[in-house]
Amino acid sequence: DAVMTQSPLSLPVTLGQPASISCRSSQSLVYIDGNTYLSWFQQRPGQSPRRLIYKVSNRDSGVPDRFSASGSGTDFTLKISRVEAEDVGFYYCMQGTHWPRTFGQGTKVEIK
Amino acid sequence: QVQLVQSEDEVKKPGASVKVSCKASGYNFASYGISWVRQAPGQGLEWMGWISVQNVNLNYPHKLQGRLTMTTDTSTNAAYLELRSLRSDDTAIYYCARDVVQFLQPGEMDVWGQGTTVIVSS
Repeated sequence: DAVMTQSPLSLPVTLGQPASISCRSSQSLVYIDGNTYLSWFQQRPGQSPRRLIYKVSNRDSGVPDRFSASGSGTDFTLKISRVEAEDVGFYYCMQGTHWPRTFGQGTKVEIK
Repeated sequence: QVQLVQSEDEVKKPGASVKVSCKASGYNFASYGISWVRQAPGQGLEWMGWISVQNVNLNYPHKLQGRLTMTTDTSTNAAYLELRSLRSDDTAIYYCARDVVQFLQPGEMDVWGQGTTVIVSS
């Protein structure tokens, strides 16, 4: 199975400051069709997960443009340009290239 | 709008079975798959399996083989997850999520249900 490793696991951030989360896969996530199936999900306290990003860098409809993502192969990053109070929660990467699908451990974003 | 509405929370005894439902609306149910994900208390997300609505393909981790059944009903646009021989470590929130793939190919989930809490306790 593809093991997904996120860092840091806890990220205290000052409001208005940037934040960055890393996600590394134990296997390349590039599929034979040339696409890379790496998604990012946000889970606010008490809520279901919500997809933010798919195929490495495509933002879902309604996701603020302060969220951006990049990466290739085995190394991926989610960035928040200016953290707002509503961004508090957990963030998970997930690979969908290989079966079974696997998630990272999650990164807790909180306000300092 | 696309929506997945799950069944009510459950409390079960060890050794029992639980069946969680997930009713879809707002899209062509047969054109997508359904993935199931669970989250134990204070823990991260664990992908449990995927079912293709159209051709009833399945995929799930080896650790759940023998205890897990996933089904769909296209007449009611519903998906079901049944977990048997429940143990205390099956206590979790169970989520269904629309999966963009309907064949065994790469993809991801987009829309999620609200979650169903299953508590396994004697």
